[in-house]
Amino acid sequence: RKEVEQDPGPFNVPEGATVAFNCTYSNSASQSFFWYRQDCRKEPKLLMSVYSSGNEDGRFTAQLNRASQYISLLIRDSKLSDSATYLCVATEAAGNKLTFGGGTRVLVKP
Amino acid sequence: DAGITQSPRHKVTETGTPVTLRCHQTENHRYMYWYRQDPGHGLRLIHYSYGVKDTDKGEVSDGYSVSRSKTEDFLLTLESATSSQTSVYFCAIRRDRGYTGELFFGEGSRLTVL
Repeated sequence: RKEVEQDPGPFNVPEGATVAFNCTYSNSASQSFFWYRQDCRKEPKLLMSVYSSGNEDGRFTAQLNRASQYISLLIRDSKLSDSATYLCVATEAAGNKLTFGGGTRVLVKP
Repeated sequence: DAGITQSPRHKVTETGTPVTLRCHQTENHRYMYWYRQDPGHGLRLIHYSYGVKDTDKGEVSDGYSVSRSKTEDFLLTLESATSSQTSVYFCAIRRDRGYTGELFFGEGSRLTVL
């Protein structure tokens, strides 16, 4: 079983709609969590951190559920430019190793 | 711009030949990483370094070695390339200050082993 698992998608989303997807992690000792965004044939870039209390950055909301060992990302009012692959990341306690999920592909269509 | 450059950006080689990928940073951060990315597997950590001559293995280190003789350079070597090592390789740095989970990636090196 992979340490960090994601539904690969694609999630086909009408422009302006809301989309949400989850990521599960198997290591209960995982300390910190993040969402990265990766455009086609480009390098990944940090989108946002995920805090236990939940956090929001503009149209993006991230949640962490430690009891069920998953994190989620919600995108409101989807834009065409939100089309990308979203990677979830878990770090071990020391924070030196970051484990990436396989990514969830989102396609926003007019 | 985190000042990371990878070379070569593209390489085609034959099975059994040695290959070295170079990652160069301009900001002198301690932590540097090598990941490979393959369809269906996402990004997988090969090796990472936490200082000059200080390295550790990741989850897919077999068949790879690394060296860090200078802060700014982190080399990934495939001693005898195999077709299973065909992949996109990303180098990343972690800034000494800032989020623990924030990595800055290079543009990637696409390696094809025939």
